[in-house]
Amino acid sequence: QKEVEQDPGPLSVPEGAIVSLNCTYSNSAFQYFMWYRQYSRKGPELLMYTYSSGNKEDGRFTAQVDKSSKYISLFIRDSQPSDSATYLCAMSAGGGFKTIFGAGTRLFVKA
Amino acid sequence: DAGVTQSPTHLIKTRGQQVTLRCSPISGHKSVSWYQQVLGQGPQFIFQYYEKEERGRGNFPDRFSARQFPNYSSELNVNALLLGDSALYLCATLGAKNIQYFGAGTRLSVL
Repeated sequence: QKEVEQDPGPLSVPEGAIVSLNCTYSNSAFQYFMWYRQYSRKGPELLMYTYSSGNKEDGRFTAQVDKSSKYISLFIRDSQPSDSATYLCAMSAGGGFKTIFGAGTRLFVKA
Repeated sequence: DAGVTQSPTHLIKTRGQQVTLRCSPISGHKSVSWYQQVLGQGPQFIFQYYEKEERGRGNFPDRFSARQFPNYSSELNVNALLLGDSALYLCATLGAKNIQYFGAGTRLSVL
Protein backbone atom coordinates (compact mmCIF):
# COMPACT_ATOMS: atom_id res chain seq x y z
CA GLN A 1 0.00 0.00 0.00
CA LYS A 2 1.31 3.43 -0.92
CA GLU A 3 1.67 6.00 1.86
CA VAL A 4 -0.40 8.48 -0.14
CA GLU A 5 -3.19 7.51 -2.54
CA GLN A 6 -4.55 9.90 -5.13
CA ASP A 7 -6.85 9.16 -8.07
CA PRO A 8 -4.90 10.11 -11.21
CA GLY A 9 -8.07 10.99 -13.15
CA PRO A 10 -8.32 12.56 -15.63
CA LEU A 11 -11.13 14.73 -14.33
CA SER A 12 -12.99 16.84 -16.89
CA VAL A 13 -15.43 19.57 -15.80
CA PRO A 14 -17.18 22.52 -17.47
CA GLU A 15 -16.07 26.06 -16.73
CA GLY A 16 -17.64 27.39 -13.54
CA ALA A 17 -17.99 23.97 -11.89
CA ILE A 18 -16.88 23.18 -8.35
CA VAL A 19 -13.98 20.73 -8.39
CA SER A 20 -13.22 18.31 -5.57
CA LEU A 21 -9.82 16.63 -5.37
CA ASN A 22 -8.93 14.13 -2.67
CA CYS A 23 -6.12 12.08 -1.16
CA THR A 24 -5.94 9.45 1.52
CA TYR A 25 -2.87 8.53 3.51
CA SER A 26 -1.72 5.85 5.91
CA ASN A 27 1.04 7.48 7.99
CA SER A 28 -0.46 9.03 11.11
CA ALA A 29 2.81 10.95 11.68
CA PHE A 30 2.03 13.36 8.83
CA GLN A 31 1.42 16.87 10.19
CA TYR A 32 1.96 19.11 7.17
CA PHE A 33 -0.39 18.88 4.20
CA MET A 34 0.12 20.65 0.90
CA TRP A 35 -1.49 20.96 -2.51
CA TYR A 36 0.68 21.76 -5.49
CA ARG A 37 -0.36 22.63 -9.03
CA GLN A 38 1.84 21.51 -11.89
CA TYR A 39 1.49 22.63 -15.46
CA SER A 40 2.90 20.46 -18.23
CA ARG A 41 6.70 20.34 -18.21
CA LYS A 42 6.95 22.72 -15.25
CA GLY A 43 7.86 22.31 -11.60
CA PRO A 44 5.15 22.05 -8.91
CA GLU A 45 3.79 25.35 -7.57
CA LEU A 46 2.50 25.51 -3.99
CA LEU A 47 -1.24 26.28 -3.83
CA MET A 48 -2.31 25.53 -0.28
CA TYR A 49 -0.57 24.62 2.95
CA THR A 50 -2.22 23.32 6.11
CA TYR A 51 -0.75 22.29 9.42
CA SER A 52 -2.63 19.54 11.27
CA SER A 53 -6.42 19.36 10.87
CA GLY A 54 -8.93 21.94 9.76
CA ASN A 55 -9.90 24.09 6.81
CA LYS A 56 -8.06 26.82 4.99
CA GLU A 57 -9.44 29.12 2.32
CA ASP A 58 -7.60 31.24 -0.23
CA GLY A 59 -9.68 32.88 -2.92
CA ARG A 60 -11.36 30.17 -4.98
CA PHE A 61 -9.40 27.40 -3.23
CA THR A 62 -10.32 25.60 0.00
CA ALA A 63 -8.20 22.89 1.59
CA GLN A 64 -9.57 20.50 4.21
CA VAL A 65 -7.69 18.05 6.40
CA ASP A 66 -9.38 15.31 8.42
CA LYS A 67 -6.65 13.54 10.36
CA SER A 68 -9.08 11.16 12.05
CA SER A 69 -10.02 9.77 8.64
CA LYS A 70 -6.56 10.34 7.10
CA TYR A 71 -8.24 12.23 4.27
CA ILE A 72 -7.47 15.58 2.67
CA SER A 73 -9.38 17.54 0.05
CA LEU A 74 -8.96 20.54 -2.22
CA PHE A 75 -12.01 22.37 -3.54
CA ILE A 76 -11.85 24.76 -6.46
CA ARG A 77 -14.84 27.07 -6.91
CA ASP A 78 -15.81 28.72 -10.20
CA SER A 79 -13.23 26.66 -12.08
CA GLN A 80 -11.52 28.30 -15.06
CA PRO A 81 -9.79 26.83 -18.13
CA SER A 82 -6.54 28.19 -16.67
CA ASP A 83 -7.02 25.78 -13.74
CA SER A 84 -6.35 22.89 -16.15
CA ALA A 85 -3.25 21.23 -14.70
CA THR A 86 -2.13 18.33 -12.57
CA TYR A 87 -2.87 18.72 -8.86
CA LEU A 88 -0.53 16.97 -6.45
CA CYS A 89 -1.26 16.38 -2.79
CA ALA A 90 1.81 16.20 -0.58
CA MET A 91 2.48 15.64 3.10
CA SER A 92 5.31 15.33 5.57
CA ALA A 93 5.86 14.50 9.20
CA GLY A 94 7.64 17.78 9.82
CA GLY A 95 10.68 19.92 9.22
CA GLY A 96 10.18 19.82 5.47
CA PHE A 97 11.75 16.40 5.60
CA LYS A 98 10.95 13.76 3.00
CA THR A 99 7.73 15.13 1.55
CA ILE A 100 5.58 12.33 0.13
CA PHE A 101 3.51 13.11 -2.94
CA GLY A 102 0.43 11.55 -4.40
CA ALA A 103 0.42 10.50 -8.05
CA GLY A 104 -1.39 13.70 -9.07
CA THR A 105 -4.86 14.24 -10.55
CA ARG A 106 -5.06 15.64 -14.07
CA LEU A 107 -7.82 18.26 -14.29
CA PHE A 108 -9.31 19.62 -17.50
CA VAL A 109 -11.68 22.59 -17.33
CA LYS A 110 -13.61 23.03 -20.58
CA ALA A 111 -14.60 26.52 -21.74
CA ASP B 1 14.07 37.47 -5.40
CA ALA B 2 15.04 34.77 -7.86
CA GLY B 3 13.33 31.44 -7.37
CA VAL B 4 14.97 28.04 -7.34
CA THR B 5 17.06 27.69 -10.49
CA GLN B 6 18.08 24.42 -12.07
CA SER B 7 20.44 23.64 -14.92
CA PRO B 8 20.46 22.38 -17.52
CA THR B 9 16.83 22.51 -18.61
CA HIS B 10 17.07 19.45 -20.84
CA LEU B 11 19.66 16.72 -21.15
CA ILE B 12 20.04 13.71 -23.41
CA LYS B 13 22.39 10.91 -22.40
CA THR B 14 22.98 7.30 -23.42
CA ARG B 15 22.88 4.26 -21.20
CA GLY B 16 25.96 3.83 -19.02
CA GLN B 17 26.88 7.50 -19.04
CA GLN B 18 27.07 9.77 -16.01
CA VAL B 19 25.15 13.01 -15.47
CA THR B 20 25.38 15.99 -13.10
CA LEU B 21 22.41 18.23 -12.41
CA ARG B 22 22.68 21.57 -10.63
CA CYS B 23 20.44 23.57 -8.33
CA SER B 24 20.71 27.07 -6.88
CA PRO B 25 18.38 27.72 -3.92
CA ILE B 26 16.37 30.81 -3.11
CA SER B 27 18.58 33.30 -1.29
CA GLY B 28 18.59 32.49 2.42
CA HIS B 29 17.33 28.94 2.01
CA LYS B 30 19.79 26.44 3.47
CA SER B 31 18.05 23.14 2.73
CA VAL B 32 17.90 21.50 -0.69
CA SER B 33 15.96 18.39 -1.63
CA TRP B 34 16.02 16.40 -4.85
CA TYR B 35 13.06 14.56 -6.36
CA GLN B 36 12.58 12.31 -9.38
CA GLN B 37 9.30 12.61 -11.26
CA VAL B 38 8.57 9.94 -13.84
CA LEU B 39 5.92 10.84 -16.42
CA GLY B 40 2.43 10.38 -15.00
CA GLN B 41 3.58 10.03 -11.40
CA GLY B 42 4.18 12.32 -8.45
CA PRO B 43 7.69 13.39 -7.42
CA GLN B 44 9.67 10.80 -5.44
CA PHE B 45 12.11 11.91 -2.74
CA ILE B 46 15.79 11.20 -3.47
CA PHE B 47 17.88 13.30 -1.05
CA GLN B 48 17.70 16.18 1.38
CA TYR B 49 20.70 18.30 2.39
CA TYR B 50 20.85 20.90 5.12
CA GLU B 51 23.92 22.95 5.93
CA LYS B 52 25.97 20.72 3.60
CA GLU B 53 25.03 17.51 5.43
CA GLU B 54 22.76 14.75 4.15
CA ARG B 55 19.59 14.72 6.24
CA GLY B 56 17.61 12.08 4.41
CA ARG B 57 17.73 9.62 1.57
CA GLY B 58 14.91 7.97 -0.35
CA ASN B 59 14.79 4.48 -1.80
CA PHE B 60 17.23 5.01 -4.67
CA PRO B 61 20.34 2.96 -5.59
CA ASP B 62 23.88 4.06 -4.81
CA ARG B 63 24.25 5.23 -8.42
CA PHE B 64 22.53 8.38 -7.17
CA SER B 65 24.61 10.78 -5.09
CA ALA B 66 24.47 14.43 -4.20
CA ARG B 67 26.33 17.15 -2.38
CA GLN B 68 25.74 20.67 -1.14
CA PHE B 69 28.26 23.47 -1.38
CA PRO B 70 29.10 26.29 1.10
CA ASN B 71 26.84 28.66 -0.87
CA TYR B 72 24.00 26.10 -0.40
CA SER B 73 23.81 25.22 -4.08
CA SER B 74 23.66 21.52 -4.81
CA GLU B 75 24.53 18.90 -7.40
CA LEU B 76 22.85 15.58 -8.10
CA ASN B 77 24.98 12.93 -9.79
CA VAL B 78 23.71 9.79 -11.42
CA ASN B 79 26.19 7.14 -12.62
CA ALA B 80 25.74 4.23 -15.01
CA LEU B 81 22.50 5.65 -16.42
CA LEU B 82 19.64 3.30 -17.18
CA LEU B 83 16.67 3.86 -19.47
CA GLY B 84 14.49 3.98 -16.36
CA ASP B 85 16.35 7.04 -15.10
CA SER B 86 14.58 9.12 -17.75
CA ALA B 87 12.51 11.61 -15.75
CA LEU B 88 12.07 15.18 -14.62
CA TYR B 89 14.50 15.88 -11.77
CA LEU B 90 13.26 18.52 -9.38
CA CYS B 91 15.11 20.53 -6.80
CA ALA B 92 13.27 22.11 -3.89
CA THR B 93 14.41 24.46 -1.16
CA LEU B 94 12.90 24.93 2.25
CA GLY B 95 11.43 28.24 3.32
CA ALA B 96 9.47 29.52 6.30
CA LYS B 97 6.83 27.21 7.86
CA ASN B 98 8.68 24.26 6.30
CA ILE B 99 7.25 25.02 2.87
CA GLN B 100 9.16 23.64 -0.11
CA TYR B 101 9.65 25.73 -3.22
CA PHE B 102 10.40 23.90 -6.45
CA GLY B 103 12.48 24.73 -9.47
CA ALA B 104 11.29 24.08 -13.02
CA GLY B 105 13.32 20.87 -13.15
CA THR B 106 15.81 19.21 -15.47
CA ARG B 107 14.32 16.83 -18.00
CA LEU B 108 16.70 13.90 -18.49
CA SER B 109 16.28 11.52 -21.41
CA VAL B 110 18.35 8.34 -21.46
CA LEU B 111 18.58 6.64 -24.85
